[in-house]
Amino acid sequence: GAGVSQTPSNKVTEKGKYVELRCDPISGHTALYWYRQSLGQGPEFLIYFQGTGAADDSGLPNDRFFAVRPEGSVSTLKIQRTERGDSAVYLCASSFRTSTDTQYFGPGTRLTVL
Amino acid sequence: GQQVMQIPQYQHVQEGEDFTTYCNSSTTLSNIQWYKQRPGGHPVFLIQLVKSGEVKKQKRLTFQFGEAKKNSSLHITATQTTDVGTYFCAGRLGYNFNKFYFGSGTKLNVKP
Repeated sequence: GAGVSQTPSNKVTEKGKYVELRCDPISGHTALYWYRQSLGQGPEFLIYFQGTGAADDSGLPNDRFFAVRPEGSVSTLKIQRTERGDSAVYLCASSFRTSTDTQYFGPGTRLTVL
Repeated sequence: GQQVMQIPQYQHVQEGEDFTTYCNSSTTLSNIQWYKQRPGGHPVFLIQLVKSGEVKKQKRLTFQFGEAKKNSSLHITATQTTDVGTYFCAGRLGYNFNKFYFGSGTKLNVKP
């Protein structure tokens, strides 16, 4: 595709529910990142994929968060038992091969947990 | 704790004035990237600096990487209203190959 796309653009859910956020990276990009951005803050690293594998998941805040990229393209960020503190914009970025290449960000998914 | 600090948090300038934002790390960085995020938008890559003391220019924007690779700056000459947005630095620590630590950003407002 022309750029990184993310769906949904907005997600409102209730505390305790399960949500899935989808990222479709630029075609041919092997590196994919998930970030979380709270109001007035910079993006906070969550997880980095190289191909199908999670090369670095040290930014996931706890075991309620999980991400997959089964075929090395589309990725899904999964959040179980959502909490109000999970409310933020979740950004996905992809780069051609490695973390030293330009990161292209998607428009983000704004998650609101009521 | 926060790995990369960025100042100032906000900057209001008159169109035509210069603007500088600074990024500092207590740890040597292997490289640093700069991004711009317009209100309601997503971060857009501006540049990457890798070498100690490196200086790069993009039209009115000048980017510097410190000699010790612990600090960086972005300077905009003669700001325009199109420069409005939040500027973020993102540093990669040498011991962690993949992760970038973003600063909290400097929000620039330009009055016409």
